[in-house]
Amino acid sequence: DAGVTQSPTHLIKTRGQQVTLRCSPKSGHDTVSWYQQALGQGPQFIFQYYEEEERQRGNFPDRFSGHQFPNYSSELNVNALLLGDSALYLCASSLLSFAVTYGYTFGSGTRLTVV
Amino acid sequence: QKEVEQNSGPLSVPEGAIASLNCTYSDRVSQSFFWYRQYSGKSPELIMSIYSNGDKEDGRFTAQLNKASQYVSLLIRDSQPSDSATYLCAVINAGNMLTFGGGTRLMVKP
Repeated sequence: DAGVTQSPTHLIKTRGQQVTLRCSPKSGHDTVSWYQQALGQGPQFIFQYYEEEERQRGNFPDRFSGHQFPNYSSELNVNALLLGDSALYLCASSLLSFAVTYGYTFGSGTRLTVV
Repeated sequence: QKEVEQNSGPLSVPEGAIASLNCTYSDRVSQSFFWYRQYSGKSPELIMSIYSNGDKEDGRFTAQLNKASQYVSLLIRDSQPSDSATYLCAVINAGNMLTFGGGTRLMVKP
């Protein structure tokens, strides 16, 4: 049973560029959340997708956008990259109706470095 | 005030001792609570969940919840060097959104 898979694992981009990160949820899960984790800090919630719609959003600018596809996979897009966007980006999935009981399963993350 | 607060540590304990990790949360309607372990450079791994007041035990781990005090803790008995990691406290609210604290770094010394 495949867990949450994310790609790519590492990425180096130049300030001002755009980046797309990808996530496939664990089999049977329908909800995908994205988190940004800066070094030494806890993960910060970016947004959550369910039924191909953004369900909740954290305190992140519009430069951060996403999408969920009919197969439940998801993309995170970041435009006009800033140096401060350098972080570990984590994707987490769950079956929404069971999230309260079982929590979320995390992928291995994408390490984004903006130079 | 942050929604979920943890002491950043590091918390240093000798091998074989009990490590006690604490967390407070601000949203009284939070429904369930999770402890994740994160090794350096890796992603968070769920180790315990709790949603009722009291204690929940799983092997060497015990989670404790006190909703009146808005307090969650994790006890690790017989701590091993392999337990050295950052422990993240997380809460789920009514909207099923998972919010994390900043994490506590635990160091278990041989």
